[in-house]
Amino acid sequence: GENVEQHPSTLSVQEGDSAVIKCTYSDSASNYFPWYKQELGKGPQLIIDIRSNVGEKKDQRIAVTLNKTAKHFSLHITETQPEDSAVYFCAAGGGGSQGNLIFGKGTKLSVKP
Amino acid sequence: DTAVSQTPKYLVTQMGNDKSIKCEQNLGHDTMYWYKQDSKKFLKIMFSYNNKELIINETVPNRFSPKSPDKAHLNLHINSLELGDSAVYFCASSQEGGGNYGYTFGSGTRLTVV
Repeated sequence: GENVEQHPSTLSVQEGDSAVIKCTYSDSASNYFPWYKQELGKGPQLIIDIRSNVGEKKDQRIAVTLNKTAKHFSLHITETQPEDSAVYFCAAGGGGSQGNLIFGKGTKLSVKP
Repeated sequence: DTAVSQTPKYLVTQMGNDKSIKCEQNLGHDTMYWYKQDSKKFLKIMFSYNNKELIINETVPNRFSPKSPDKAHLNLHINSLELGDSAVYFCASSQEGGGNYGYTFGSGTRLTVV
């Protein structure tokens, strides 16, 4: 089945700097890659997603890139703000026998003012 | 208007008790899920269910059972609660199953077994 590895597990940046979180997946049939943000005491919220027919997608300060050959995808946050502090999860799905989104183990991002 | 709502938000109970967590979605989604999030924040799938098929993660003890009275509800029943069941449980829904669509999560139920 699918396996998703996420790095780093914690990331601390200064306000205004960029943050990058990387994920790798194992099932080459996976074709849908969402990213979730979980703030303290809340459920994960979808912030951006990408499908395998696209290499990059942007939405204001966040962007996701996908390298199908290498089976990895990344989340880029530019001009970070304190409100970006949260746990971020990558996920992969749409292929293989399991039929569900498989989540990475999360990255705790801290943005220092 | 909450898309995926769970109740209760907090649940404290003694070992051995039986408890239920309710989940409702008003998005018209076909598939619903239960996830368990442990203290390390790992999200682990427990069940996925649409009106045709229940998929159970084989690692989930049979003390846990989902019950769906209709397409908009997927409740979680837990029998003979154990200390290790303490975690945050999230309900979620998606337009379809198969991992092709994003999930909408509820706000979670923090279960504490004492």
